[in-house]
Amino acid sequence: DSGVTQTPKHLITATGQRVTLRCSPRSGDLSVYWYQQSLDQGLQFLIQYYNGEERAKGNILERFSAQQFPDLHSELNLSSLELGDSALYFCASSVDASSYNSPLHFGNGTRLTVT
Amino acid sequence: GNSVTQMEGPVTLSEEAFLTINCTYTATGYPSLFWYVQYPGEGLQLLLKATKADDKGSNKGFEATYRKETTSFHLEKGSVQVSDSAVYFCALTGNTPLVFGKGTRLSVIA
Repeated sequence: DSGVTQTPKHLITATGQRVTLRCSPRSGDLSVYWYQQSLDQGLQFLIQYYNGEERAKGNILERFSAQQFPDLHSELNLSSLELGDSALYFCASSVDASSYNSPLHFGNGTRLTVT
Repeated sequence: GNSVTQMEGPVTLSEEAFLTINCTYTATGYPSLFWYVQYPGEGLQLLLKATKADDKGSNKGFEATYRKETTSFHLEKGSVQVSDSAVYFCALTGNTPLVFGKGTRLSVIA
């Protein structure tokens, strides 16, 4: 058990809709990362937050947004969903902000299916 | 930018066989290198890491050596078990969050 909790496990929704994915980091970790895993693109980094502030941005679409709350949990909002957004979305946490050598602890992911 | 290329799978081996999964990277500066493993239905877990050239990371019988001259970090295990069946990801980081390879699925049959 990594200590990172993601909800829900599965999400099925229609094109054009909006969903929110939730992540609680491991106790003591201040950084939260979001990754998208799809068969064709592999694991793509989306965004990182540290202690409530955005720290790094990757290949995140403008239709997607995220935030980290004072209790350190994070939410990833996906809007105007398209079929191509169907993927496994992982949250990961670590203790560090800018030293990326610390291990990432991954949740079990949220599988999003857009129909 | 930084990138990782790892051998395509799937790889199917018999129990006790020798395993090699190739990984090469492109990066500026001096990245740290990692192998993560993903078991079915779970998130990724760190398997091993190396932070500088010629370092060897090892864990659970798996090893990988950071080779700067060949920009490689190949994963090896001398004798695989059925319980090693999983997807293995090579990854690197420098001054950016982890960049992953596409993963190699390993199936070990008894």
